[in-house]
Amino acid sequence: NAGVTQTPKFQVLKTGQSMTLQCAQDMNHEYMSWYRQDPGMGLRLIHYSVGAGITDQGEVPNGYNVSRSTTEDFPLRLLSAAPSQTSVYFCASSYPHVSGAYNEQFFGPGTRLTVL
Amino acid sequence: AQSVTQLGSHVSVSEGALVLLRCNYSSSVPPYLFWYVQYPNQGLQLLLKYTSAATLVKGINGFEAEFKKSETSFHLTKPSAHMSDAAEYFCAVRKAAGNKLTFGGGTRVLVKP
Repeated sequence: NAGVTQTPKFQVLKTGQSMTLQCAQDMNHEYMSWYRQDPGMGLRLIHYSVGAGITDQGEVPNGYNVSRSTTEDFPLRLLSAAPSQTSVYFCASSYPHVSGAYNEQFFGPGTRLTVL
Repeated sequence: AQSVTQLGSHVSVSEGALVLLRCNYSSSVPPYLFWYVQYPNQGLQLLLKYTSAATLVKGINGFEAEFKKSETSFHLTKPSAHMSDAAEYFCAVRKAAGNKLTFGGGTRVLVKP
């Protein structure tokens, strides 16, 4: 298994440009999520999905769109990049929550994005 | 809303010394608690988890953490630091229902020879 993969590893954008960060997992996990990591703030949840066709907002969703057409893929779209979106982005996946059970979240290697 | 506070954004320890990373959480009900480690330029890796089975939890690489409900704490310790422990460590909390994690701000550990 490749686990959770993310592309690209690095990206530089100009303000106003758009791009899509790719995330894929081969563990048949229903739950997938996107986080951004900023110094001193830990990881903050942007969007998440509990299964194909179902997405919801996290703590910091503004400026980002997501869709989930397949179980494997969960792309994150920046429609008009802003310098405030300079960050490291992590995708994670896990099995869905079952009451009383623990499901570890597996993280991808991250995408380092700079918006000039 | 849940929150997680990690005291100290940077910790410096000597090789062989005790590593102590502090984590306090706020939650109205006993949550699921986690420690993750992030090595340079890598993603997060699970160190250990508390899921109410035992208050003292042992993880990988010699780390352990103790859940103290009265103090709402979940501090991470390792008796003897190794150079390979240099990394950033994150405490996280999750409600008993659902998958969403709330992370603390992280503590970067520097190990001096």
